[in-house]
Amino acid sequence: EIVLTQSPGTLSLSPGERATLSCRASQTITNNYLAWYQQKPGQAPRLLISGASNRATGIPDRFSGSGSGTDFTLTISRLEPEDFAVYYCQKYGTSPPHTFGQGTKLEIK
Amino acid sequence: EVQLVESGGGLVQPGGSLRLSCAASGFTYTTYYMTWVRQAPGKGLEWVASINQDGSKKNYVDSVKGRFTISRDNAKKSLYLQMNSLRAEDTAVYYCTRENWSQDYWGQGALVTVSS
Repeated sequence: EIVLTQSPGTLSLSPGERATLSCRASQTITNNYLAWYQQKPGQAPRLLISGASNRATGIPDRFSGSGSGTDFTLTISRLEPEDFAVYYCQKYGTSPPHTFGQGTKLEIK
Repeated sequence: EVQLVESGGGLVQPGGSLRLSCAASGFTYTTYYMTWVRQAPGKGLEWVASINQDGSKKNYVDSVKGRFTISRDNAKKSLYLQMNSLRAEDTAVYYCTRENWSQDYWGQGALVTVSS
């Protein structure tokens, strides 16, 4: 089973700043089958990125994903007030379980 | 518009059973895998189970194998999760999701509380 480790656990930034979130896998993730989700309090998660770098429908271009193999990054170029939330990475593909990372909380500084 | 609506959550005693349902609409249900994901109070997300388009292939996280059963009724565009031998650690919000490789649409969730 692939274990995903996200860092940092909490990231404190101000609106307008750049956010960089990391997701590291215990084994190589094939075909870049890595997704990122955003979750706000009391809401269901929302898909942001799939295939490591492909934005989902309706996701603003300030969100970008990169990486391959075992190291992946979610970057938010200029934080908007509505971006403060918890972010999860997930590996998917043909070999379940499709595990999630433990999450990174992005909070207002 | 894609919609996933869960129902069937509630309070159940340890060792008891519960069946969650998810009604799907707004997309061609028979062409997608479907998945249940859960989230314990104040915790992260956990992938629980998935089922392929015709129900012939099912996968589970180890912690629920032998206790939970995922199923679907394509005629009713519905997904189910039968949960038996429930434990306190199964307490969570259970989300129904459409699997388009990743989980691209999510329901609002159904709360399951296992407590005496």
